[in-house]
Amino acid sequence: DVKVTQSSRYLVKRTGEKVFLECVQDMDHENMFWYRQDPGLGLRLIYFSYDVKMKEKGDIPEGYSVSREKKERFSLILESASTNQTSMYLCASMERRRNQPQHFGDGTRLSIL
Amino acid sequence: QQQVKQSPQSLIVQKGGISIINCAYENTAFDYFPWYQQFPGKGPALLIAIRPDVSEKKEGRFTISFNKSAKQFSLHIMDSQPGDSATYFCAAKRTDTGRRALTFGSGTRLQVQP
Repeated sequence: DVKVTQSSRYLVKRTGEKVFLECVQDMDHENMFWYRQDPGLGLRLIYFSYDVKMKEKGDIPEGYSVSREKKERFSLILESASTNQTSMYLCASMERRRNQPQHFGDGTRLSIL
Repeated sequence: QQQVKQSPQSLIVQKGGISIINCAYENTAFDYFPWYQQFPGKGPALLIAIRPDVSEKKEGRFTISFNKSAKQFSLHIMDSQPGDSATYFCAAKRTDTGRRALTFGSGTRLQVQP
């Protein structure tokens, strides 16, 4: 079974802090994704990565960056946290073959005060 | 720009009833349409998926109906059970480009009453 692990279930940070969200997958998947989930808006793609050190912007990349130094780990970085980044953050991984399912972690609920 | 529109936002169904969730898409290049199920405190998980070369796909009590000309697809849950209470997301993807990410609908919170 694929396991996608997000380092924190709940996180509280202050405005202006630099915040790191970590995600690790154990299935050697090439593709990894970061989404944020907000009520009424569904899941919106922030960034994705299709290989080590490779990344592409999603639909809402502003205020975020990512890092993928190793295949199994994909980090989301909030450069200077703001209150409008309070949200549920979901990481997912997927193998390279077409139409394979995305496997999600259980999410990090981030509050910015 | 909402490329996949999902309705209703919430749904209450009696046990044994049929739950129906609808989605409409705009981009005719989409060619893969999965549904994800999310329980409270958990990440979404793939439930069922369809490609546009078929009009219907059934897996157990779950059926996707697909109408290519109308650019609509729907999820039907037959004999709905309290254990089906969850949030359901439709999604779409085009597989001919490098973008491997899904475009999700806004979600439907389903509550099945015993």
